[in-house]
Amino acid sequence: ETGVTQTPRHLVMGMTNKKSLKCEQHLGHNAMYWYKQSAKKPLELMFVYNFKEQTENNSVPSRFSPECPNSSHLFLHLHTLQPEDSALYLCASSPHAGENTEAFFGQGTRLTVV
Amino acid sequence: GNSVTQMEGPVTLSEEAFLTINCTYTATGYPSLFWYVQYPGEGLQLLLKATKADDKGSNKGFEATYRKETTSFHLEKGSVQVSDSAVYFCALRGGNTGKLIFGQGTTLQVKP
Repeated sequence: ETGVTQTPRHLVMGMTNKKSLKCEQHLGHNAMYWYKQSAKKPLELMFVYNFKEQTENNSVPSRFSPECPNSSHLFLHLHTLQPEDSALYLCASSPHAGENTEAFFGQGTRLTVV
Repeated sequence: GNSVTQMEGPVTLSEEAFLTINCTYTATGYPSLFWYVQYPGEGLQLLLKATKADDKGSNKGFEATYRKETTSFHLEKGSVQVSDSAVYFCALRGGNTGKLIFGQGTTLQVKP
């Protein structure tokens, strides 16, 4: 248990569906992150939020829409995804985005797009 | 920019064998270095870290030393167990952006 909780753990969705991934942390951290982990590819940083403000969008397609209503919660809204978007989506948090501290990860949401 | 390079896997060892997983990095400034472990079906867990040159991080029998002269942070364990089978990621954070950058991961399989 790292203090970062992701729901759901597994999600199967069609290409025309709209769904959301949820992440919450109760570590008092101010930075939250979305990563994508695909088979045989390095971990890809998608988005960074620091004090609820988005500070990084790593050229992510607009069919992925993040939302950070407060420092404890982070969402990833999904719509009109493609099969190649199937992956493990990992949420992480850290005290601040600009510091050299470790990040704490959730267990991930395994997404399958059919 | 910053980058991390890990040795290619998979690494297959017998129980009680010695483990080394090589990791080298490129970074500006003075990054912090990390090893994360990912067990099957799970997220990433921090295994150990080092925040400055010559620091040694250690946890659960694993060790890694921050070597600035060789820009390396190799992971070692003297006697692996079947339960150590997982994917290991070397990572750095620092430089100008504070981004957490990962290597490609090394799969370790330990056989009884």
